[in-house]
Amino acid sequence: AQSVTQLDSQVPVFEEAPVELRCNYSSSVSVYLFWYVQYPNQGLQLLLKYLSGSTLVKGINGFEAEFNKSQTSFHLRKPSVHISDTAEYFCAVSDPGDYGGSQGNLIFGKGTKLSVKP
Amino acid sequence: IAGITQAPTSQILAAGRRMTLRCTQDMRHNAMYWYRQDLGLGLRLIHYSNTAGTTGKGEVPDGYSVSRANTDDFPLTLASAVPSQTSVYFCASSLSTGAASEAFFGQGTRLTVV
Repeated sequence: AQSVTQLDSQVPVFEEAPVELRCNYSSSVSVYLFWYVQYPNQGLQLLLKYLSGSTLVKGINGFEAEFNKSQTSFHLRKPSVHISDTAEYFCAVSDPGDYGGSQGNLIFGKGTKLSVKP
Repeated sequence: IAGITQAPTSQILAAGRRMTLRCTQDMRHNAMYWYRQDLGLGLRLIHYSNTAGTTGKGEVPDGYSVSRANTDDFPLTLASAVPSQTSVYFCASSLSTGAASEAFFGQGTRLTVV
């Protein structure tokens, strides 16, 4: 079964600094990769996803992520963060056939809390 | 506004009581999911449904049951609540059962079992 590792549970940064949130997944087989963001007391919403094609994926709010198959990584980056980016970020992988055929099931990492300080 | 509605938003429940968390979507999505979110553990899948009339077990199904009588509704039932079921519960849906399909999430239900 697939697994996702988010290497940092908390990342504090100053406003306007760059940030990278790291994500590694367990399998080298073809998978789909996602980053979701959760603002305080809200549900998750999609930031970006990688399905195929260009390894650099651009998402909403100025975020981007790079798929690296050889390193089984999908790190999330933003060149300049804002206070409003303070949230928890979840990396997820989708693997058809997991859980006895639950196609489309997302396997989540444990999350990284990004805290942007003025 | 189209999306997923969960109810209640929060609940304090006595141990041993039965509770149903409601989830309704108006996007005509085929697949629906229930996750629980616990500090330091991320989101874990409880149950899923690929289409109306079918359900399946996820990673942590024990103590929970679901039904999918129609496309829009996917209630989650705790037959006899225990304190370890204290968590934030998220319902989600996706257009299709394909692995590339984006999941849309509700706002969550915060459940405390005492």
